[in-house]
Amino acid sequence: AQSVTQLGSHVSVSEGALVLLRCNYSSSVPPYLFWYVQYPNQGLQLLLKYTSAATLVKGINGFEAEFKKSETSFHLTKPSAHMSDAAEYFCAVRPLSNFGNEKLTFGTGTRLTIIP
Amino acid sequence: GAVVSQHPSWVICKSGTSVKIECRSLDFQATTMFWYRQFPKQSLMLMATSNEGSKATYEQGVEKDKFLINHASLTLSTLTVTSAHPEDSSFYICSVRTSGSRANFGPGTRLTVT
Repeated sequence: AQSVTQLGSHVSVSEGALVLLRCNYSSSVPPYLFWYVQYPNQGLQLLLKYTSAATLVKGINGFEAEFKKSETSFHLTKPSAHMSDAAEYFCAVRPLSNFGNEKLTFGTGTRLTIIP
Repeated sequence: GAVVSQHPSWVICKSGTSVKIECRSLDFQATTMFWYRQFPKQSLMLMATSNEGSKATYEQGVEKDKFLINHASLTLSTLTVTSAHPEDSSFYICSVRTSGSRANFGPGTRLTVT
């Protein structure tokens, strides 16, 4: 069984400040891990993914995340927040397999608000 | 990567009617597509896995007779919400699994049942 927990349903940061969105996972097998962003009334867009290669993953829009097996974490960070970063962010986990029909399990999401 | 489209983007229907939502993989032949629903301010929940040429696999608690899925070709999967009720109002999102780990998502369809 696999699951993800996102700590903090709402996070507010000032423009230019560090963004830190937390994600902890639980998986019986080594997982793939993902961060998705969802802007209002839109679908999901992949920010970045961990696929057992480098533990520090860089994504789009200046975001990055670090896989820490000892902490079962995959926190998302960005050094300097922009107003355009305001959105809902979802962490997701999937088993490390390539059969093609494995499920993505999503966290409950974190709404990021940027304060001018 | 696969470009995924959904149609319609927003639909309003009356209670008791049926609504069909299309998910198309525009540049990738998808043997597997996934359907999710998202209630307001909540996460995405997987409803079913759509398999080309065979029956869909539904998640526990999802009524297969209410949410009919047809994956008739490698580029099209449809979700039909039958006898829709206001509680079915939600955001429905499909995704296509491409090579390796990547899953591409459609833009979503907002269903409002009045």
